[in-house]
Amino acid sequence: ETGVTQSPTHLIKTRGQQVTLRCSSQSGHNTVSWYQQALGQGPQFIFQYYREEENGRGNFPPRFSGLQFPNYSSELNVNALELDDSALYLCASSLGSGAGYGYTFGSGTRLTVV
Amino acid sequence: SQQGEEDPQALSIQEGENATMNCSYKTSINNLQWYRQNSGRGLVHLILIRSNEREKHSGRLRVTLDTSKKSSSLLITASRAADTASYFCATDDNYGQNFVFGPGTRLSVLP
Repeated sequence: ETGVTQSPTHLIKTRGQQVTLRCSSQSGHNTVSWYQQALGQGPQFIFQYYREEENGRGNFPPRFSGLQFPNYSSELNVNALELDDSALYLCASSLGSGAGYGYTFGSGTRLTVV
Repeated sequence: SQQGEEDPQALSIQEGENATMNCSYKTSINNLQWYRQNSGRGLVHLILIRSNEREKHSGRLRVTLDTSKKSSSLLITASRAADTASYFCATDDNYGQNFVFGPGTRLSVLP
């Protein structure tokens, strides 16, 4: 049984550029949630995908968008990057939507915007 | 949105001692979870406790939940240097769809 895999592990982008982060969910998990974690803070919920549909969204602007594929892997896209987007982006998968499931997190993608 | 708030923000103890971290939240919840994070890496799920449960154990970990006080505690007994990490509580959001994390407690266990 494989865990959650995120790629790339580190990324440096220039302000105004676009970025795509990828996540492979744990085998058997149909739900993927994305979080942004700034240095020294707790993770902030971006959005969740359940069976290829967005299933909840946090307080993030529309330039943060996502996809979930039939194999339940997921992408997070961020357009028009800003310096404040520099953070650790975490993907978590779970057996179902809803807060009654434990999340399995990936190791994250460290994004630096310069 | 409701959010767990951990207390203390930072805790430093000697190896072998017990560590207690607290989490307070604002509105009623269905579930509360505790996670550990080592050095800015991914979070590791420790325990999920439901609103109708008062206490759960897992190895050296004990979690309590007091819904009347809207608080939870995580106790790590006989701490080890490897327990050094940030610990987060997460409460379900207003829609019961996802978790909202607090800012965390940074635990240092000194050898």
